[in-house]
Amino acid sequence: DTAVSQTPKYLVTQMGNDKSIKCEQNLGHDTMYWYKQDSKKFLKIMFSYNNKELIINETVPNRFSPKSPDKAHLNLHINSLELGDSAVYFCASSPAGITNEKLFFGSGTQLSVL
Amino acid sequence: DAKTTQPPSMDCAEGRAANLPCNHSTISGNEYVYWYRQIHSQGPQYIIHGLKNNETNEMASLIITEDRKSSTLILPHATLRDTAVYYCIVRVGTSGTYKYIFGTGTRLKVLA
Repeated sequence: DTAVSQTPKYLVTQMGNDKSIKCEQNLGHDTMYWYKQDSKKFLKIMFSYNNKELIINETVPNRFSPKSPDKAHLNLHINSLELGDSAVYFCASSPAGITNEKLFFGSGTQLSVL
Repeated sequence: DAKTTQPPSMDCAEGRAANLPCNHSTISGNEYVYWYRQIHSQGPQYIIHGLKNNETNEMASLIITEDRKSSTLILPHATLRDTAVYYCIVRVGTSGTYKYIFGTGTRLKVLA
């Protein structure tokens, strides 16, 4: 009954490959996010979607393509992986239009590009 | 576009209050301050948030200065399990389009 779940938890791949990370939330939230955490633990927003519509795209290279088939899912596809893409990627969701909006995070996907 | 600054690390004795500061001098009038923490490499966990009034919940208290340029997260009786990285965050935008901008975090170590 995990609220925000990401798969896979670990992903090890070679440079140049294409990979996807999946995220699902069962909280009924309208907004979903992708964050990237670098080796210094800095968390930076990449994308947000609201009801399947792209809201935020933070100058992320177009090798990264988010896809939201429905409001419970936000997947991240990465083409032509580079060494610098190695990081932990966190998915999060948030309800909209309530007083106590906040982010609910998944447990992260550790991506290692060799 | 960092909107918050935090000390990189702090120590606190077990059982004592941990006071974690955050500066957000460029915060705008309708932007909330949030605090999250991350234990090991788990997903960040919500602690507390506020706009201008001080807030308290079962986990912590949040003290926001009157000019809103800084705030302090208080863990009243720190335990070893409170050892974590604590992030001060400013939320910008409107509902459905919010952007939560994380600070660089304070690594809190609670000492036995």
